[in-house]
Amino acid sequence: DTEVTQTPKHLVMGMTNKKSLKCEQHMGHRAMYWYKQKAKKPPELMFVYSYEKLSINESVPSRFSPECPNSSLLNLHLHALQPEDSALYLCAISQGRAGNEQFFGPGTRLTVL
Amino acid sequence: DQQVKQNSPSLSVQEGRISILNCDYTNSMFDYFLWYKKYPAEGPTFLISISSIKDKNEDGRFTVFLNKSAKHLSLHIVPSQPGDSAVYFCAAKTQGGSEKLVFGKGTKLTVNP
Repeated sequence: DTEVTQTPKHLVMGMTNKKSLKCEQHMGHRAMYWYKQKAKKPPELMFVYSYEKLSINESVPSRFSPECPNSSLLNLHLHALQPEDSALYLCAISQGRAGNEQFFGPGTRLTVL
Repeated sequence: DQQVKQNSPSLSVQEGRISILNCDYTNSMFDYFLWYKKYPAEGPTFLISISSIKDKNEDGRFTVFLNKSAKHLSLHIVPSQPGDSAVYFCAAKTQGGSEKLVFGKGTKLTVNP
């Protein structure tokens, strides 16, 4: 099994709050992804880190700020979010240049009040 | 423009019978295809994939067929079990590692006992 952990599982925040989502993996996979998924919709890519460098930013608003401090950790910093940002935020990993399959974590359910 | 299409939002089958989920794509640059299964409020689980150099890949009860000329793939589940009830997403990408996955909108499969 490919294990990707995400914390917290649930998060409720106000529009003025600052919070962070965390993703951790110990598979040594070198590509890490943030996706956003709204109800009854497919996952939408937000960011890709490849070998700890940001390689894809899908024109995400600056109120979402990703960070990859090392090869095992991926953070998503949140600030001044809007209620429409409420969604399931998913982290995924892949082997980078050597792999095509992406493996997802359980997600963080975010509610913005 | 929807590059990956799953035209059936839902499918209902009897336990023990075959489930066939379909997916079409428009982008001829896609050369790697994946199927994911998703339960509510959980991350997608990788099921099976296929490269464009193959036309079939099998893993236990799951078989994926690829028809490149028709830009069509299908997932067969035999025999279907009630635990297979979930939303199934088809996804496509270009090979080479940390490239973007493009998802279809999903098909909700219900397997009735």
